[in-house]
Amino acid sequence: GQNIDQPTEMTATEGAIVQINCTYQTSGFNGLFWYQQHAGEAPTFLSYNVLDGLEEKGRFSSFLSRSKGYSYLLLKELQMKDSASYLCAVTDSNYQLIWGAGTKLIIKP
Amino acid sequence: DTEVTQTPKHLVMGMTNKKSLKCEQHMGHRAMYWYKQKAKKPPELMFVYSYEKLSINESVPSRFSPECPNSSLLNLHLHALQPEDSALYLCASSLLAGVSTDTQYFGPGTRLTVL
Repeated sequence: GQNIDQPTEMTATEGAIVQINCTYQTSGFNGLFWYQQHAGEAPTFLSYNVLDGLEEKGRFSSFLSRSKGYSYLLLKELQMKDSASYLCAVTDSNYQLIWGAGTKLIIKP
Repeated sequence: DTEVTQTPKHLVMGMTNKKSLKCEQHMGHRAMYWYKQKAKKPPELMFVYSYEKLSINESVPSRFSPECPNSSLLNLHLHALQPEDSALYLCASSLLAGVSTDTQYFGPGTRLTVL
């Protein structure tokens, strides 16, 4: 079966750093996406990883280890506007996006 | 420009109504998608169009009928819906379908309530 696991909810403090983990077991792997979704809004693209290693994009970084079936999204210098759900999604062997349930991130002042 | 537009933003309909959701993109993308999303759940894929042809139908009930009039437009026709169909309906597009590196860009969604 296809399975993507993320923590349901995380809390962090404004200005701090938070790491959101994602583990996956899918039929094939053709890349991993991270999306941000504010409540009641559409998902917006954050990052894409297909090779092992770290991709950095401003305050956000995403890491992938294919051998471990593991990724994380690292958010630095947290701002209140970063309060949102963060969705991990894997492209499987049929090039279909398999979505995790999302991690709700709560930022406190 | 990575904009996908959807109309209407909100829709309330009775179970006997017929309505349509509309989606438009002008990024030259040849793949377009309909997703359904319930609260606190990830998006669920409904349909995929590739080069204006329906390529994936994820066993969606026939009360949902997609249409792709041209490469920029995607419609979802609704008829005889049930209250459990109330959800956020998201349209997305990508350059191509079936390519791992292609990012899907989402529209703002239509919040549908079925009474």
